Amino acid sequence: EVQLVQSGAEVKKPGESLRISCKGSGYSFTSYWISWVRQMPGKGLEWMGRIDPSDSYTNYSPSFQGHVTISADKSISTAYLQWSSLKASDTAMYYCARQGTVAGDYWGQGTLVTVSS
Amino acid sequence: QSVLTQPPSASGTPGQRVTISCSGSSSNIGSNTVNWYQQLPGTAPKLLIYSNNQRPSGVPDRFSGSKSGTSASLAISGLQSEDEADYYCAAWDDSLNGPHWVFGGGTKLTVL
Repeated sequence: EVQLVQSGAEVKKPGESLRISCKGSGYSFTSYWISWVRQMPGKGLEWMGRIDPSDSYTNYSPSFQGHVTISADKSISTAYLQWSSLKASDTAMYYCARQGTVAGDYWGQGTLVTVSS
Repeated sequence: QSVLTQPPSASGTPGQRVTISCSGSSSNIGSNTVNWYQQLPGTAPKLLIYSNNQRPSGVPDRFSGSKSGTSASLAISGLQSEDEADYYCAAWDDSLNGPHWVFGGGTKLTVL
């Protein structure tokens, strides 16, 4: 069974750093890209960027380029999304999604990030 | 605002047929396939339709998709109360600095 399991909810202060994770199982992790998608409270889905775990090649949405970093460790089938300095406006639910021939065929359960002083 | 345009809301009574539209451009819907996702309250999005009109296994045939030119639509027939959810269309966009995955703003479906 294909599964993407994300790390738990986080509460952080502005200016702090954070890395959240997405662990794939039940399939060949290096055969599918992983995308990250943001959903701000009460809002729609926004694509942030994606990574090819086989070689860690990334491409980002212009809206998020330079604000976040996407990485992966294929040895443990895990992709990451990280911030070096969080802002209150980063408060959102973050989803990872598998991308192969069909984009977004499986999604993680989501990680809620709350940034508040 | 979102790259793909959807109506913010739609509604219908049980048993009715409803359609949700999704409008894009030549760089996304016009040249790539469209997927639809269903997001039930408090849950992650779930793939509902892929490649314009294909249903993943387990998705009832009450759900169907179509595409024409730079627009797509999702139809739900025999509406049920459990269909009350947010629906999103998505497609790849062929931008100059690499493909981008773009979404519609979402349509909140209410079953009256």
